[in-house]
Amino acid sequence: EVQLVQSGAEVRKPGESLRISCKGSGYSFTTHFIAWVRQMPGKGLDWMGVIYPGDSDTTYSPSFQGQVTISADKSINTAYLQWSSLKASDTAVYYCARLAPNERYLDYWGQGSLVTVSS
Amino acid sequence: QSVLTQPPSMSGAPGQRVTIPCTGSSSNIGAGYYVHWYQQLPGTAPKLLIYGNTNRPSGVPDRFSGSKSGTSASLAITGLQAEDEADYYCQSYDSSLSGWVFGGGTKLTVL
Repeated sequence: EVQLVQSGAEVRKPGESLRISCKGSGYSFTTHFIAWVRQMPGKGLDWMGVIYPGDSDTTYSPSFQGQVTISADKSINTAYLQWSSLKASDTAVYYCARLAPNERYLDYWGQGSLVTVSS
Repeated sequence: QSVLTQPPSMSGAPGQRVTIPCTGSSSNIGAGYYVHWYQQLPGTAPKLLIYGNTNRPSGVPDRFSGSKSGTSASLAITGLQAEDEADYYCQSYDSSLSGWVFGGGTKLTVL
């Protein structure tokens, strides 16, 4: 069974750093792209970027380039999303999701990680 | 402002048919890229509902169907049920942005 399990809720202050994780299981982690998607409170879905864990090739949405870093550790089947200096506007639920093989849709989703940034 | 346009809200009575539109442009839907749909029940992660314009993943009831024409696509739900009350998002790929794009989402209320 394909599963993506994300790290738990986090509360940080503005200016702090953070890394959240997404662990895949039940499939070949290295041969499927992982995407990160933001959902701000009461809002829709925003595509942030994708990573191919096999070689860590990463593509960012222009809106998120330079704002976050996406990485992966294929030895432990885990993808990461990190911030070096959080802002209050980063408060959101962040989802990781798997791209279907050779396709451009997301066939499996993690449960989401709530990030709250508040002073 | 989302690249793909959806009405913010729609409603229908149980048993009715509703159609949720998704309007794009020549750089995404009109360029031939597939449209996919996701259902997000309250407080849960999105779930794939339709892929490749018209295909249903295993387990998705055949009350849900997708179509595409020109620069637009739509999701139809027949025999509306209370459990269909959710947010629905379309998604495609955009060549000018070189990336994936979502619609703004449609909140469906079952009256």
